[in-house]
Amino acid sequence: KQEVTQIPAALSVPEGENLVLNCSFTDSAIYNLQWFRQDPGKGLTSLLLIQSSQREQTSGRLNASLDKSSGRSTLYIAASQPGDSATYLCAVGDSGATNKLIFGTGTLLAVQP
Amino acid sequence: EPEVTQTPSHQVTQMGQEVILRCVPISNHLYFYWYRQILGQKVEFLVSFYNNEISEKSEIFDDQFSVERPDGSNFTLKIRSTKLEDSAMYFCASSRTVSKGIFGYEQYFGPGTRLTVT
Repeated sequence: KQEVTQIPAALSVPEGENLVLNCSFTDSAIYNLQWFRQDPGKGLTSLLLIQSSQREQTSGRLNASLDKSSGRSTLYIAASQPGDSATYLCAVGDSGATNKLIFGTGTLLAVQP
Repeated sequence: EPEVTQTPSHQVTQMGQEVILRCVPISNHLYFYWYRQILGQKVEFLVSFYNNEISEKSEIFDDQFSVERPDGSNFTLKIRSTKLEDSAMYFCASSRTVSKGIFGYEQYFGPGTRLTVT
């Protein structure tokens, strides 16, 4: 059964710092991996999608990497801003018939001005 | 830009009542999903739906739950007799398809319906 873990559970950094969020998964049989942002009491905003055959994806200040063989992904945020404060969720797309997403518990990020 | 919409944004109901949560997926998408998130916990998969039938469901999705695509645009989740533990945020998602070769398609999420059972 696929298990997805994210560390750290919470992170507080000063504005401008570069930071790395980690995601690990137990079963390498995945279609893809998505990183989401969730603001308190709100929905899920998709940030990046990495296919299982890809090594990384970039969008603006965000860069996500994937090492499927070791079951790891990282989300790198450059030059963090207070507006980046949110919970970041990692979800792996199960390689079964429906590509259901299996989520981690998230990393709560606070960027201090 | 097309988006998934959900109504209502917040639903309060009494234990034992039936509720229907509504979703309008992106129009050219073929796969539809429901997920839920109990406060402070992980987002959990409930069910996936394709070609007017359930393609996969989780252990959570028992006989109290049902899904339907009553017309060409709506996708609904019904809980027959709500329990206190059904209180959660329910997310609908849609995807153009599941996969093409080794590539899995992105799922797009709605803003969620917060269900409170009292």
